[in-house]
Amino acid sequence: AQSVTQLDSQVPVFEEAPVELRCNYSSSVSVYLFWYVQYPNQGLQLLLKYLSGSTLVKGINGFEAEFNKSQTSFHLRKPSVHISDTAEYFCAVSPDYNQGGKLIFGQGTELSVKP
Amino acid sequence: GAVVSQHPSWVICKSGTSVKIECRSLDFQATTMFWYRQFPKQSLMLMATSNEGSKATYEQGVEKDKFLINHASLTLSTLTVTSAHPEDSSFYICSAPSSGGNTYDSYNEQFFGPGTRLTVL
Repeated sequence: AQSVTQLDSQVPVFEEAPVELRCNYSSSVSVYLFWYVQYPNQGLQLLLKYLSGSTLVKGINGFEAEFNKSQTSFHLRKPSVHISDTAEYFCAVSPDYNQGGKLIFGQGTELSVKP
Repeated sequence: GAVVSQHPSWVICKSGTSVKIECRSLDFQATTMFWYRQFPKQSLMLMATSNEGSKATYEQGVEKDKFLINHASLTLSTLTVTSAHPEDSSFYICSAPSSGGNTYDSYNEQFFGPGTRLTVL
């Protein structure tokens, strides 16, 4: 079985400050890793994904994440946040591509950017 | 990217009634779609996998007789909440893989619908 743990339920930060949202996973098989963003009352938008190759992945809106296999982590970072980054962020894993892309989500981290 | 729509975007119903939610892939075909449920301030929980032409696969703990899923065509899956009760009030989100569900050669990115807010009075 797979599981995803997002270590922080809420992260308040001031505008233009750097931010890191933490994500750890557990799996007995190889996984693909994702970060999604959800704005209020909306669906999910993919920020970035790790499938293979370089462990540093760059996504949209200036976000990046680094896959660390030994620590089973996939932390999301942004060097300078904007007010518009305020949203809920979800880390997710896909346990096996033969399962058609079924996703297991973490509990979510609410990023609140203050002026 | 691919577009997935849901209808309605929000619905309010009385306890005991049934509600149907549609999920459509607008510019691609999807042999597989996924239904998630999200309670306020919580994560998305996978409810079931909708399979075109066959029965849906439900996750453990999800009542298949209460949450009826029909994958009527390659672009449409419906979720019917039967005899809805206040505890069924939630945000329901569907997703479909970009290739439509064929996964033997590459990963298929999930595209999510905008969600349906169900409130049962």
